[in-house]
Amino acid sequence: DAGVIQSPRHEVTEMGQEVTLRCKPISGHDYLFWYRQTMMRGLELLIYFNNNVPIDDSGMPEDRFSAKMPNASFSTLKIQPSEPRDSAVYFCASSLAQGLHNEQFFGPGTRLTVL
Amino acid sequence: GNSVTQMEGPVTLSEEAFLTINCTYTATGYPSLFWYVQYPGEGLQLLLKATKADDKGSNKGFEATYRKETTSFHLEKGSVQVSDSAVYFCARLTSGTYKYIFGTGTRLKVLA
Repeated sequence: DAGVIQSPRHEVTEMGQEVTLRCKPISGHDYLFWYRQTMMRGLELLIYFNNNVPIDDSGMPEDRFSAKMPNASFSTLKIQPSEPRDSAVYFCASSLAQGLHNEQFFGPGTRLTVL
Repeated sequence: GNSVTQMEGPVTLSEEAFLTINCTYTATGYPSLFWYVQYPGEGLQLLLKATKADDKGSNKGFEATYRKETTSFHLEKGSVQVSDSAVYFCARLTSGTYKYIFGTGTRLKVLA
């Protein structure tokens, strides 16, 4: 398996622009997570899905952020409009539900820079 | 509340030195505990885990023991290598959910 795939790996955009980050989880995994990593705040869970349904979006910072999972093999995280403080590395992770002790498999991340 | 606290880095060691990275947690109940490692330019990957008190997780020479009495899960390695240079994250899994709570990460730098 190719692992969790994220695109793009790097994104540089200007303030006010719309940004869309993409994720393809490991085939067969039924949980998908979006995280944000910054030096100041560390690793933060933004939202997670189970069987394509959002379960907990309490970590989404504000209405400018939205996430979708239209099918089991694809998810997007959208920021509109983007702001410089959104600059971070965004990780997608997936896991397979087998009890409560599950490993999460992380993608390589998307490094977002908002100018 | 539920949280994870780990020692601040960076930690700089010479090759073959002994490593300890402290991690403590607060929680109700008995969470599962994890150490993840992040190599430069990559996502996190599971290093080891323990699911109940007194369990010892181990992998690649790293060990951590789930200590309920001290609410700790310290990471240790007897002899570090340059290739162990990375950021290490302690994490707990909130009981009844699939939400990880991660510590802030500890950067380890091993010098040849």
